[in-house]
Amino acid sequence: SQQGEEDPQALSIQEGENATMNCSYKTSINNLQWYRQNSGRGLVHLILIRSNEREKHSGRLRVTLDTSKKSSSLLITASRAADTASYFCATGGHYQKVTFGTGTKLQVIP
Amino acid sequence: GAGVSQSPSNKVTEKGKDVELRCDPISGHTALYWYRQSLGQGLEFLIYFQGNSAPDKSGLPSDRFSAERTGGSVSTLTIQRTQQEDSAVYLCASSLGIGDTDTQYFGPGTRLTVL
Repeated sequence: SQQGEEDPQALSIQEGENATMNCSYKTSINNLQWYRQNSGRGLVHLILIRSNEREKHSGRLRVTLDTSKKSSSLLITASRAADTASYFCATGGHYQKVTFGTGTKLQVIP
Repeated sequence: GAGVSQSPSNKVTEKGKDVELRCDPISGHTALYWYRQSLGQGLEFLIYFQGNSAPDKSGLPSDRFSAERTGGSVSTLTIQRTQQEDSAVYLCASSLGIGDTDTQYFGPGTRLTVL
């Protein structure tokens, strides 16, 4: 079974708008990571947030983590057509099996 | 340095045949994962190798699936007597396996089509 679940499953926005994706997980974590996947091939790591962090930024990406609610959000600001992809959250690592959520398909319309 | 590589990139086989998929992880990475992804779906965990520990095979869908990791490096995923429902992209990932910032690096995948 999946450790994490993202919502929404699919999101369609206009270029320039912000996109927000959410991830919920079930067990305690050391960190949570977000990955991106283009065209059904290998995933690419975007950003990692540790369990003792509440917010982290990387370029146009902003990740928040609420361990009390076991949830995280990924915000992409000023979206571009090239941001069209599937986005996955993942938990685990450091001798623990990494498990992925179900993913959010983002479409950015030019 | 080189990333994770997988071969072949595409494989077309007939139902009932056996196939072998190969993954070359990043040198020094102790953790190696295999995932399966059907069209438009999420990642399905198959198997996890961590160092010399016994692999976590809990995701293998049937006894037709098996995987080995030789010398702590290259891994081979074998599917025996392939079925049409085995058609998917098979992704391999590796990571250092330690540290609280452990990050997975994915290969490009092998697209398997069973006719």
